[in-house]
Amino acid sequence: EPEVTQTPSHQVTQMGQEVILRCVPISNHLYFYWYRQILGQKVEFLVSFYNNEISEKSEIFDDRFSVERPDGSNFTLKIRSTKLEDSAMYFCASKIGQGTEQYFGPGTRLTVT
Amino acid sequence: AQTVTQSQPEMSVQEAETVTLSCTYDTSESDYYLFWYKQPPSRQMILVIRQEAYKQQNATENRFSVNFQKAAKSFSLKISDSQLGDAAMYFCAYRITQGGSEKLVFGKGMKLTVNP
Repeated sequence: EPEVTQTPSHQVTQMGQEVILRCVPISNHLYFYWYRQILGQKVEFLVSFYNNEISEKSEIFDDRFSVERPDGSNFTLKIRSTKLEDSAMYFCASKIGQGTEQYFGPGTRLTVT
Repeated sequence: AQTVTQSQPEMSVQEAETVTLSCTYDTSESDYYLFWYKQPPSRQMILVIRQEAYKQQNATENRFSVNFQKAAKSFSLKISDSQLGDAAMYFCAYRITQGGSEKLVFGKGMKLTVNP
């Protein structure tokens, strides 16, 4: 069964550095998402992406964050000038079309020290 | 604004018994979708069950079923014949559609412990 994959599973970075979290959505999916979950808290929406542009973004998704689908298969989340409070689990999700289910990847644990 | 509330932070159940997880939500929409996701210690989000608001029949997936009360805006999950592998965090979620964009809004989650 097709799955959403994410790499790396765990990323440690120093405050102020840039990180790129990578996701490979299910191949025929057209809608892509990033969510994050700070340890012990609920999952929060960050951004949705369709047709090579952002559809919606949350207040969390400030100008340090960006997303890209560089080659038609990968979907990346870049965080510049990382802060301690960016430490969280980041989930990628994808779906095939409007009104269908989102399938989540296994997540990347980001630790900012 | 749409919100999802899970008022019970933790519950426990004996193996083979039945447990019900509660969830309420707030919305002004008439057609929407509700979901229960399971998050085991591996932290991957796994879809357990979904319910479409326009369907009166409660969704069922093997040992998992929901009690959807649209007027009360209640969406509880019943797990029958609980198994050790059911131990996880469970999140209730509501799908918002605005201006052609969709996203999920999650509750705070509930930790389920299954005792042998």
